[in-house]
Amino acid sequence: AQRVTQPEKLLSVFKGAPVELKCNYSYSGSPELFWYVQYSRQRLQLLLRHISRESIKGFTADLNKGETSFHLKKPFAQEEDSAMYYCALVTSNTGKLIFGQGTTLQVKP
Amino acid sequence: GAVVSQHPSRVICKSGTSVKIECRSLDFQATTMFWYRQFPKQSLMLMATSNEGSKATYEQGVEKDKFLINHASLTLSTLTVTSAHPEDSSFYICSAQGGQGADNEQFFGPGTRLTVL
Repeated sequence: AQRVTQPEKLLSVFKGAPVELKCNYSYSGSPELFWYVQYSRQRLQLLLRHISRESIKGFTADLNKGETSFHLKKPFAQEEDSAMYYCALVTSNTGKLIFGQGTTLQVKP
Repeated sequence: GAVVSQHPSRVICKSGTSVKIECRSLDFQATTMFWYRQFPKQSLMLMATSNEGSKATYEQGVEKDKFLINHASLTLSTLTVTSAHPEDSSFYICSAQGGQGADNEQFFGPGTRLTVL
């Protein structure tokens, strides 16, 4: 079965601390994974996707097929990073996104 | 580019009435549109996938007669919640695929808050 798991509902860190939001997936095919972010009162927007291997707003995520993980990392958290983060998997044959439960990141001053 | 709008942003209706929500891709042609439902502090649950000119594909457990989807053009899809009841109260979000986005990238609308009294 296709599934995305984000084990933490809430992650609270202080400004400047490193951040890692965990994401594990279950998918029999070749996965295409995304991180989406939803800031307060704003729409969901794409943060990054594994195939582009880019760093957006200081965030990076590496696909680890052995551990079936796609954790999101940032070395130094900023207050403006506070938001809801969703890991998502797209099924190759349908283009449908399967979302994880989401993790609220709270960066305290 | 790649902006998706939804209308209305919020709607309150009486039980038993029908409500229509519009989803528009403003600056690109959307080959596929998706409708999601989001409960408070929960994830997005895909309700249906809609391709222009063809019938929507509903996810398991979603009543197609309850949630009517029409995708009449490459820039407009509508979701009609028929005979709404309080348990239909939720946040409905659409997304659109196409335009300048890479394959499989979805652009999300701002959502519609439906409250059924």
